[in-house]
Amino acid sequence: EAGVAQSPRYKIIEKRQSVAFWCNPISGHATLYWYQQILGQGPKLLIQFQNNGVVDDSQLPKDRFSAERLKGVDSTLKIQPAKLEDSAVYLCASSLGTQGQPQHFGDGTRLSIL
Amino acid sequence: SQELEQSPQSLIVQEGKNLTINCTSSKTLYGLYWYKQKYGEGLIFLMMLQKGGEEKSHEKITAKLDEKKQQSSLHITASQPSHAGIYLCGAASGTYKYIFGTGTRLKVLA
Repeated sequence: EAGVAQSPRYKIIEKRQSVAFWCNPISGHATLYWYQQILGQGPKLLIQFQNNGVVDDSQLPKDRFSAERLKGVDSTLKIQPAKLEDSAVYLCASSLGTQGQPQHFGDGTRLSIL
Repeated sequence: SQELEQSPQSLIVQEGKNLTINCTSSKTLYGLYWYKQKYGEGLIFLMMLQKGGEEKSHEKITAKLDEKKQQSSLHITASQPSHAGIYLCGAASGTYKYIFGTGTRLKVLA
């Protein structure tokens, strides 16, 4: 079974620029998550999709972050404009459902803001 | 809001030694997950515990959830260099929310 695919693996941009990350979950997984992991901390949930609908985006900084999962499969996360504090690893995860299902993670995108 | 506290924050052990990592929740856990993360990589799912008193093992790693479902421990027997990494506990907090602890960094000296 193919795992969660993310791209790019690394991205370096200057502050105020825009950046987008892509995630393709495991086939058949209805739930998709985007996390932000700052160095030395655990992952923080940014947004959770159930199929193509948003379940939770309470911790997403909506003034600069946006995410979509138009066809209920792959997803993109965008930051516009980026700030220095956005430097982090952005992890995508998927699961079969919500309650009681383990999440399977991609390798993440390491974002550095100069 | 619910929080997960892990201890210790970091651990250095000699190869062959046993070790335990703890995860404590401020509220009752509905599901507790253990993950391992290597630097620069994603999280690898290890085990999931849902019932009070539940215990699961995989190879040399054993995870337990206490009866009150507020504390979990991860025990590694006869540690090896391959066990090195960051161990994270995660939990379902409410219907749709997931939270993670800050992680325990494990280094195993050969």
